[in-house]
Amino acid sequence: GAGVSQTPSNKVTEKGKYVELRCDPISGHTALYWYRQSLGQGPEFLIYFQGTGAADDSGLPNDRFFAVRPEGSVSTLKIQRTERGDSAVYLCASSLDAGANVLTFGAGSRLTVL
Amino acid sequence: AQSVTQLGSHVSVSEGALVLLRCNYSSSVPPYLFWYVQYPNQGLQLLLKYTSAATLVKGINGFEAEFKKSETSFHLTKPSAHMSDAAEYFCAVSHNNNDMRFGAGTRLTVKP
Repeated sequence: GAGVSQTPSNKVTEKGKYVELRCDPISGHTALYWYRQSLGQGPEFLIYFQGTGAADDSGLPNDRFFAVRPEGSVSTLKIQRTERGDSAVYLCASSLDAGANVLTFGAGSRLTVL
Repeated sequence: AQSVTQLGSHVSVSEGALVLLRCNYSSSVPPYLFWYVQYPNQGLQLLLKYTSAATLVKGINGFEAEFKKSETSFHLTKPSAHMSDAAEYFCAVSHNNNDMRFGAGTRLTVKP
């Protein structure tokens, strides 16, 4: 597609529920990233995929968070047993490859946990 | 690990005045440096990037930034602020794309 697409744009859920956030990167981009942006803060790195594999998942805060990219294109960020502290905007970005290439960001998925 | 510090969470300028947003980086190896802008309810957009070519980098919308190794700085400037420049600005550092790290951001307000 023309840009990075993220769905849903807004998600409201109750504490303890399971949520999935989807990212559709730019066609042909092999690298995909997830960041989390809390109110008033900069994006915080979560995980990076190169192709289908998670090359770096050191930013995932705990084992409730998991992400997949089974075919090397669309990625899904999964959050189990959501907590109020998970409320944030989850940003996805893609790039052609590693190196100095620019990350192109989606508009984000705003998650609110009540 | 590399990191960036943005001095000033909020900067306010008058329309037509100079814009200066500060960013200092920490990196053990030569970094790539970026400035992104985020308008309300939108994704981050790249303003400019430094990749070890020219130290003065020109970006979109009249913004530019200068890489100063001796000061470990990459401050963003624009000679004359416009109302449409009001947004959140983020400085970022990486060595390769999989390790890009962002600062906390600076909110720019432009007064008429």
